[in-house]
Amino acid sequence: DVVMSQSPLSLSVTLGQPASISCRSSQGLLHTDKNTYLNWFHQRPGQSPRRLIYKISNRDSGVPDRFSGSGTGTEFTLKINRVEADDVGIYYCMQGTHWPPTFGQGTRLEIK
Amino acid sequence: QLAESGGDFVQPGGSLTLSCVVSGFSLKDYWMHWVRQVPGKGLLWVSRINSDGTLEAYVDSVRGRFTISRDDAKNTLHLQMNNLRVEDTAVYYCVRGLGDLWGRGTLVSVSS
Repeated sequence: DVVMSQSPLSLSVTLGQPASISCRSSQGLLHTDKNTYLNWFHQRPGQSPRRLIYKISNRDSGVPDRFSGSGTGTEFTLKINRVEADDVGIYYCMQGTHWPPTFGQGTRLEIK
Repeated sequence: QLAESGGDFVQPGGSLTLSCVVSGFSLKDYWMHWVRQVPGKGLLWVSRINSDGTLEAYVDSVRGRFTISRDDAKNTLHLQMNNLRVEDTAVYYCVRGLGDLWGRGTLVSVSS
């Protein structure tokens, strides 16, 4: 299975400051259909995960433009421009290129 | 919307069937998945079924014990779980596609 490794595993950020989470895959994520199925999810305590970003850099409907995704190959990044209180929780990267889809360990974001 | 049900407490070796009722879209138009999460831990993709029900896939740890199925007429996805193990204890989520819509989850607890 493809191993997804996130860093850091926890992040403490001042409101209004930027945050960045890295995700590395053990294999390249470029599918034969030329798409790269790398998604980012946010999970608040007691809630289901919610997808923020799909195929590296596409924001899901309703996701603020403070969130952006980038990367290629095996290295990917989620950036939050200005952290707000509502952004606390755990962020997961996930690859859907190879079966089974696999998630990173998660990065816990808290407000400093 | 996705609404899971069927989670329960069961002894090792027991069986359960989870259901996921879909509303707001037609089940037959999407690949559907089950993902599980041990409370307080990470996410594991368990099983998927394609849009016409002809292709199923399972993560190694559940293959041969779990069966995914769909009833498009009732807009319902199922996960039949047999020979349950303590390590199957988790919240099970019904997920559309590669994560664009998640249910609230249903808790399966396996213990003697």
